[in-house]
Amino acid sequence: KAGVTQTPRYLIKTRGQQVTLSCSPISGHRSVSWYQQTPGQGLQFLFEYFSETQRNKGNFPGRFSGRQFSNSRSEMNVSTLELGDSALYLCASSLARTNYEQYFGPGTRLTVT
Amino acid sequence: GIQVEQSPPDLILQEGANSTLRCNFSDSVNNLQWFHQNPWGQLINLFYIPSGTKQNGRLSATTVATERYSLLYISSSQTTDSGVYFCAVLRLNKFYFGSGTKLNVKP
Repeated sequence: KAGVTQTPRYLIKTRGQQVTLSCSPISGHRSVSWYQQTPGQGLQFLFEYFSETQRNKGNFPGRFSGRQFSNSRSEMNVSTLELGDSALYLCASSLARTNYEQYFGPGTRLTVT
Repeated sequence: GIQVEQSPPDLILQEGANSTLRCNFSDSVNNLQWFHQNPWGQLINLFYIPSGTKQNGRLSATTVATERYSLLYISSSQTTDSGVYFCAVLRLNKFYFGSGTKLNVKP
């Protein structure tokens, strides 16, 4: 069974631009969660989607948004990029019924200049 | 939210040594996972362990949910064990991560 995939793996953007990251979960997994990892703040929860609905949200500004498609693939979007948005963005998928074990993708490393 | 504290923050070992990493959490949780993050950033699942003890090769983990802590044991460490170890707890459908233990195993 293929693991969680994320595209692109690396991205360089300019302040003020917007970016869209993609995550494909493990086949059969219906929950996708997104996390931001920075040296200063560690791993922080962004949001979780289940069956195309945002079920949970972390403490991030509205510039961070996401969505989930009917095939469980998910995208997150960051608008009006700031230098502080430079981070490793990780997504994780889980069955999320009786089993909430999370499996992570390789991440997208975003650099904002 | 829930507080997750990991100790020690940094650990240097000689190859072949054993170690214990600790994860304390401030409230009841639905579940707990241990991860190893490799130098390329990939988080690798080690254990999904709400309670009890599990073993996988040289690694084992114990969670005592009633006392709000979990332990990860690494025996006969190898240089490939180097990296950052995270515990994450699940509460109300959200995972909260500790700040990690950075392990450096020297040959």
